[in-house]
Amino acid sequence: GQSLEQPSEVTAVEGAIVQINCTYQTSGFYGLSWYQQHDGGAPTFLSYNGLDGLEETGRFSSFLSRSDSYGYLLLQELQMKDSASYFCAVDNYGQNFVFGPGTRLSVLP
Amino acid sequence: GAVVSQHPSRVICKSGTSVKIECRSLDFQATTMFWYRQFPKQSLMLMATSNEGSKATYEQGVEKDKFLINHASLTLSTLTVTSAHPEDSSFYICSAREEGNSHEQYFGPGTRLTVT
Repeated sequence: GQSLEQPSEVTAVEGAIVQINCTYQTSGFYGLSWYQQHDGGAPTFLSYNGLDGLEETGRFSSFLSRSDSYGYLLLQELQMKDSASYFCAVDNYGQNFVFGPGTRLSVLP
Repeated sequence: GAVVSQHPSRVICKSGTSVKIECRSLDFQATTMFWYRQFPKQSLMLMATSNEGSKATYEQGVEKDKFLINHASLTLSTLTVTSAHPEDSSFYICSAREEGNSHEQYFGPGTRLTVT
């Protein structure tokens, strides 16, 4: 079977830093991706980790530890527009993608 | 950047009818396209993976005779919901993967289907 776990909700204030964790149990693993989805919209790609370590893309960073089956998305200098749902997704050798349940981030003024 | 379109964006149909949703990659060739459905406040559930020129691979529990997928070209995949019922009402989203780039999916804007 395949399962991913994320916190259901996270709340933070503007300018803060927030970390969204993701743990996974999958039959296959090629990499871990992160997607952002605003209400009513389509997911947009944020970051990808194929190897252990930290990937930085502007205000967003993502980390992966394959030995721990764990990753996280780090959002810095939070802005109101960052309020959205964030999904981790396991890339199963490029054959398919399994999405986590999603974390709803609320950024308060 | 890579753009994926979906049509229609919203559709309302009567129970028992069929609905076709188109997914197009506008500026790249998509060797693989994925179809997801998403219920309100829930995650994306992969329905099937389609590769150009071959039969789609359906996820467990997805009825292939009810959700017909055709990937006729490198830029177009279609999902037909046959004999739709109210429980099929959902947000259907396609994504496409560019040839040579296996990591990133480019998502379409989604189609909200309401079956009355």
